[in-house]
Amino acid sequence: DAGVIQSPRHEVTEMGQEVTLRCKPISGHNSLFWYRQTMMRGLELLIYFNNNVPIDDSGMPEDRFSAKMPNASFSTLKIQPSEPRDSAVYFCASSWTTGGSLTGELFFGEGSRLTVL
Amino acid sequence: LAKTTQPISMDSYEGQEVNITCSHNNIATNDYITWYQQFPSQGPRFIIQGYKTKVTNEVASLFIPADRKSSTLSLPRVSLSDTAVYYCLVGPIKAAGNKLTFGGGTRVLVKP
Repeated sequence: DAGVIQSPRHEVTEMGQEVTLRCKPISGHNSLFWYRQTMMRGLELLIYFNNNVPIDDSGMPEDRFSAKMPNASFSTLKIQPSEPRDSAVYFCASSWTTGGSLTGELFFGEGSRLTVL
Repeated sequence: LAKTTQPISMDSYEGQEVNITCSHNNIATNDYITWYQQFPSQGPRFIIQGYKTKVTNEVASLFIPADRKSSTLSLPRVSLSDTAVYYCLVGPIKAAGNKLTFGGGTRVLVKP
């Protein structure tokens, strides 16, 4: 079975540019999570979708960040405009939840390493 | 949410057993203890989960004392490939994803 698939694996961009990160969750999973990892702050949960609906976006840093999940097999995390402090590894994870409650493990993708110059 | 405390780093040698203890003094009755492993340049991976006593799978063992205020992840006979960061998470099994918080983890370095 294919795991969580993220693209691109690496992105280098200049400050002010728009960045779009993509995620394909594991087929059958109904919950999707976007995390950001930096040396300073560790792994931070940005947003959580359940059945394609954003449930909790309290971790989204600011209005420059937005996330969508148009269908069960695809999600995007967009940063516009990007800033150097957005440089990090962004992980997507999926899982199965019942009634909004996590019932098992999180499956993470390999991450997208973003560098904003 | 129960706060967890674990050592920042540990060194070991190939073939040894590695034990990582996580403290969670304010664990709630319906909280489970879950451990994830993260290799460099990869996302975290679920290792093991337990509620009380002992749980064992093909990768590790998890020891939880009766008061559940701490837990110990045991990795038997580690190899160089076990070098990774290990995260201890505490939360209700039925928690929504936003209730699972990753702390700083324990960086384990296995030496030849």
